[in-house]
Amino acid sequence: EDKVVQSPLSLVVHEGDTVTLNCSYEVTNFRSLLWYKQEKKAPTFLFMLTSSGIEKKSGRLSSILDKKELFSILNITATQTGDSAIYLCAADFSGTYKYIFGTGTRLKVLA
Amino acid sequence: DGGITQSPKYLFRKEGQNVTLSCEQNLNHDAMYWYRQDPGQGLRLIYYSQIVNDFQKGDIAEGYSVSREKKESFPLTVTSAQKNPTAFYLCASSVDRGDYGYTFGSGTRLTVV
Repeated sequence: EDKVVQSPLSLVVHEGDTVTLNCSYEVTNFRSLLWYKQEKKAPTFLFMLTSSGIEKKSGRLSSILDKKELFSILNITATQTGDSAIYLCAADFSGTYKYIFGTGTRLKVLA
Repeated sequence: DGGITQSPKYLFRKEGQNVTLSCEQNLNHDAMYWYRQDPGQGLRLIYYSQIVNDFQKGDIAEGYSVSREKKESFPLTVTSAQKNPTAFYLCASSVDRGDYGYTFGSGTRLTVV
């Protein structure tokens, strides 16, 4: 069965800390992996990863994919209270037109 | 500005009633999707549509129905056959095969009373 597993389920840190969120997947015909941030309602797109070993960066956020070990990490450096959110990982399967989502990691950043 | 609009934001339903959730997009996206989100669980796919007048069941389609009569619109009906309908419902759209990820609406929170 295709699945996406995220860890940890929840995380509490203090401002300025660096966090690493994990996403592993077991899928057939893997094509791409997505990261989203969900603060209250609509998830917002962060990264799409298709190639192994190529880091994508956006400000304090970065992500990388390992297609051999079937996982991805999302790093957030110098965390701020505005980073508090649920971070969702999703894997896309070639030809299926749909993404499978993990349960998400709930991050809380304390001032 | 382009985007996806879901309405209503909050919806209360009595047991045994059907309700319809609206989803409209002006992004000219081909594909549209409905997901359900429960606490502690990820998004689960209910239905998706790649083109007008065509749609496919997702992983949890039982108790739900959809239509795609226009490219811009993809309404979801939660029927009385859905045993546990209280949840947060998210609509999304994407270009073609989702190669650039989804754009999500703001969601509808449905509560059965």
